[in-house]
Amino acid sequence: EVQLVQSGAEVKKPGESLRISCKGSGYKFTSYWISWVRQMPGKGLEWMARIDPSDSYTTYSPSFQGHVTISADESINTAYLQWSSLRASDSAMFYCAVEYNSLSLEYWGQGTPVTVSS
Amino acid sequence: DIQMTQSPSSLSASVGDRVTITCRASQGISKYLAWYQQKAGNVPQLLIYGASTLQSGVPSRFSGSGSGTDFTLTISSLQPEDVATYYCQKYNSAPLTFGGGTKVGIK
Repeated sequence: EVQLVQSGAEVKKPGESLRISCKGSGYKFTSYWISWVRQMPGKGLEWMARIDPSDSYTTYSPSFQGHVTISADESINTAYLQWSSLRASDSAMFYCAVEYNSLSLEYWGQGTPVTVSS
Repeated sequence: DIQMTQSPSSLSASVGDRVTITCRASQGISKYLAWYQQKAGNVPQLLIYGASTLQSGVPSRFSGSGSGTDFTLTISSLQPEDVATYYCQKYNSAPLTFGGGTKVGIK
């Protein structure tokens, strides 16, 4: 069974750094791209970026390029989303999802809520 | 980048009604269009991919059609459990842009 398990809720201050994780299981981790999706409170889904875990090739949405970094460690089947300097506007739910056989976002993690507040 | 525009942004219909949601791409995307359902407080779930292929386990009252720039999601007979927000997404190439969402409720 394909599963994506994300790290837990985070509460941070503006300016702090953060890395959240997404661990895949039940499939060959390096064979499928992983995407990250943001959902701000009461708002819609926003695609942020994707990574090919086999070679760590990444593509970013222009809206997020330069503010977040995604990475993957194939040895532990885990993808990461990180910020070097958080803003209050980064408060949101973040989902990882795997572009499985359908090539669309077929399986999703449970989400990681991030709160950034002074 | 290609923009995805959904309409309407919200709708309310009676149980048993036929419901149609449209999604328009600003440029052609062939059939690389997916639909997702997100119930309140829940994780989005894939309903349809390839514009018209039903994901395993999705009730047959859901259907999708279209190619190129114009797509539709149809619920043939709206059920109470279909109350949710529905999103389209292009996935032919990055960025994998979502539409703004359509919130479906029951009258």
